[in-house]
Amino acid sequence: GNSVTQMEGPVTLSEEAFLTINCTYTATGYPSLFWYVQYPGEGLQLLLKATKADDKGSNKGFEATYRKETTSFHLEKGSVQVSDSAVYFCALIADGANSKLTFGKGITLSVRP
Amino acid sequence: DTGVSQDPRHKITKRGQNVTFRCDPISEHNRLYWYRQTLGQGPEFLTYFQNEAQLEKSRLLSDRFSAERPKGSFSTLEIQRTEQGDSAMYLCASSRVGTSYEQYFGPGTRLTVT
Repeated sequence: GNSVTQMEGPVTLSEEAFLTINCTYTATGYPSLFWYVQYPGEGLQLLLKATKADDKGSNKGFEATYRKETTSFHLEKGSVQVSDSAVYFCALIADGANSKLTFGKGITLSVRP
Repeated sequence: DTGVSQDPRHKITKRGQNVTFRCDPISEHNRLYWYRQTLGQGPEFLTYFQNEAQLEKSRLLSDRFSAERPKGSFSTLEIQRTEQGDSAMYLCASSRVGTSYEQYFGPGTRLTVT
């Protein structure tokens, strides 16, 4: 079946540090890939997406590249801020999946001033 | 800004009771999804509607669960004879056909079964 695996957390960084959150997936065909973010006390929000191999999604300084050969979609940011503290979920929509999202477990990021 | 809204935000119920949750999607969105999220896990798909038609149900959705979207606008999710294992956050999301990759989520209803 379809699945998403995220690196174990939580992650704690100092402000302005470089962030990488790993995400790999298992799916047949060519899924679309997403990163969602959940800030404290808020609902899930789409952060970025990529719908085909080698596409790069980007938003708010975050980037992720769809790597078909390694089935990965790692999230990166060059300089994190305290306001980036949140839970981050990697997700996919598989081919023919009627747009239903399959999520990873999520990872909590805390950024210290 | 009229995003996806859910009611109630919190529900505490005793085991064996029935509960009903409501979701109001973004007004022009014709697809509506229900997900369930337990502590430390990502959301899991339960069911989705296109307009008033329920097009898919997950195997997670036992016979005690039923969802409706009678006029293609708001949706309800009912759980009958609740069990402690039903304790979770129930999330609703909506999207437009053709932009279904962009699902907008509500704040969720947190259910606690005692």
